[in-house]
Order: sequence, then structure tokens, then C-alpha cells
Amino acid sequence: KAGVTQTPRYLIKTRGQQVTLSCSPISGHRSVSWYQQTPGQGLQFLFEYFSETQRNKGNFPGRFSGRQFSNSRSEMNVSTLELGDSALYLCASKEGGYEQFFGPGTRLTVL
Amino acid sequence: SQQGEEDPQALSIQEGENATMNCSYKTSINNLQWYRQNSGRGLVHLILIRSNEREKHSGRLRVTLDTSKKSSSLLITASRAADTASYFCATGRFGANSKLTFGKGITLSVRP
Repeated sequence: KAGVTQTPRYLIKTRGQQVTLSCSPISGHRSVSWYQQTPGQGLQFLFEYFSETQRNKGNFPGRFSGRQFSNSRSEMNVSTLELGDSALYLCASKEGGYEQFFGPGTRLTVL
Repeated sequence: SQQGEEDPQALSIQEGENATMNCSYKTSINNLQWYRQNSGRGLVHLILIRSNEREKHSGRLRVTLDTSKKSSSLLITASRAADTASYFCATGRFGANSKLTFGKGITLSVRP
């Protein structure tokens, strides 16, 4: 099976813009989670979607949102970008069990 | 906020030596997992231990869990240069298993 894919891999935006990141889970996986990784805060959970419904949510402002489609692909959106949103955004998928399979990440730079 | 704290923060060893990494956490957990990350890429799952287990093995990996001390350790035996990476412990709680809480990670360097 193909692994988790994320697009784009790199992104440069300016403050105030918005951005949409995409994640395609492993075939058959219905759960998709998003994480933000920064040098200062480390890896932090953003949210999880399961069967098109948000099932868990981390402590991020409302500027961070996501959705999941019927084919389990997921997108996350960040509006009104701030410098502090520069990070590696990772998505992970799973189906049953606890192990999560991570994609390579999207590195977002906000100038 | 971080649930886990790993120590040491950085570890440098010679190829062939064993590497031991520790993780402590704060709240009750359902499971604890260890992941590896190479150079800012995606994370790779290494091993999982459930809260009712004390020790697990997988190849050169051995993980222990002490829920009374809220701590875990990961042992990599006979290390290789390819083991050079960052290692993270992550905890999952009852009722929110997909919401993993990660520690800040340990940077392991294995010298050839």
C-alpha cells in the first residue's frame, strides 16, 4: 500500500494570507490527524477527523480548521497567517489500533 | 503543552553500543509509543506498549513502562549509524487514542 502523502511539501506565504494543506491517508484508513511541529513547542496535536467528522481537537485558535472528504482525504486550512505559524505540518492516518502512520510533512514558512 | 519529557535531550554513542532513552509523562495513559524522525521528515512508528504491559521487544528495540512512576525507557541494542535520528515518546489517553501527546524528543548520534 502507498503511504501517507502530503501536498505541497514546501510552501512560502506572507503574513495575513491563508493556506490549505492536503493529506491523503493510507488506503482504507478512515482516521486522519494533523500535528504541528516547531522548534519551540515541539509536536502538538491539531485535530483528528474520522469518517468526515472532527473527533478530537487540540488547543489551537479558530484560524486553524480542517475537513475530511468521503474518500478520507483531509485538508487543513490556516487563515490570517502569522509568523509563528511557520512549522512542519504532519498528518497521520490510522485504522483501528493505536499506531499512527505519518506523512513526510508540509514545511510552511510565513514571511 | 507537552505531556512527556525525554532525557537525555541529546545522546552521542559509538556504533555497536547500546542507547538508552527515557521518557516521563504526567497523566494517566492508555498506551505509550516511540517514534523516530530523520532530519525533519515524517515520523516512523517504532514500538507501542499498552498501559497494562511492562516490557516489549521488537528486533533491537526494548521498551519498558512503569505506570507507577509514569516513565518509560527505550533501549536500542547494537546501535548503527543509521539509527542516528530524533526519537520521541508519545502517549495516548483513554477515549482519545488518536490524540497523541509528544515529548520534545531526544537527538541520538551514532558515530561510525
